[in-house]
Amino acid sequence: NAGVMQNPRHLVRRRGQEARLRCSPMKGHSHVYWYRQLPEEGLKFMVYLQKENIIDESGMPKERFSAEFPKEGPSILRIQQVVRGDSAAYFCASSPRASEAFFGQGTRLTVV
Amino acid sequence: AQSVSQHNHHVILSEAASLELGCNYSYGGTVNLFWYVQYPGQHLQLLLKYFSGDPLVKGIKGFEAEFIKSKFSFNLRKPSVQWSDTAEYFCAVNILGSGAGSYQLTFGKGTKLSVIP
Repeated sequence: NAGVMQNPRHLVRRRGQEARLRCSPMKGHSHVYWYRQLPEEGLKFMVYLQKENIIDESGMPKERFSAEFPKEGPSILRIQQVVRGDSAAYFCASSPRASEAFFGQGTRLTVV
Repeated sequence: AQSVSQHNHHVILSEAASLELGCNYSYGGTVNLFWYVQYPGQHLQLLLKYFSGDPLVKGIKGFEAEFIKSKFSFNLRKPSVQWSDTAEYFCAVNILGSGAGSYQLTFGKGTKLSVIP
């Protein structure tokens, strides 16, 4: 059973471009969570999704950020018009039910 | 809002020394508690978790943690560390029964452990 797969592992974007981060949950897991880790900080919750539904997006910035988890395919975290402050590690986690989550290796986004 | 505090930013130990990493949370209700470890270049892995029952929880690789409700603490311990324990350790809390937000984890800032051979 493959773990949570995130790609790409590293992503470099120029200011103003769009960043798309993908997360394939573990087989049988229908809950997906996205977290962001800024330098010298712990992981901060961004959004919690189930298939085709956003359950809790209280940690998402109000502008430029969006997330989806379609019926088929991976979950996508999309950042439009990236700025330098978006540079961080973005982690996805999945679980078969609430709370006990398994994490991916993360995507390190660098905005230049 | 709830928060999680990890007291030590960086801990340096010699092999065979004993380890205790502090974790306190600020919420008076029912919680699930976790310790995750992140080895260099790898993903977060679950070390152990507490949901209910015996407050002394044993995890993988010889780690254990004790939940002390009166102190809002969930300290991680290992009697004898190895060089391979060099990693970053994160304490996390999940609050039960708070609606949609109850599925999220609140993390501490992490403690980097360096074990010297």
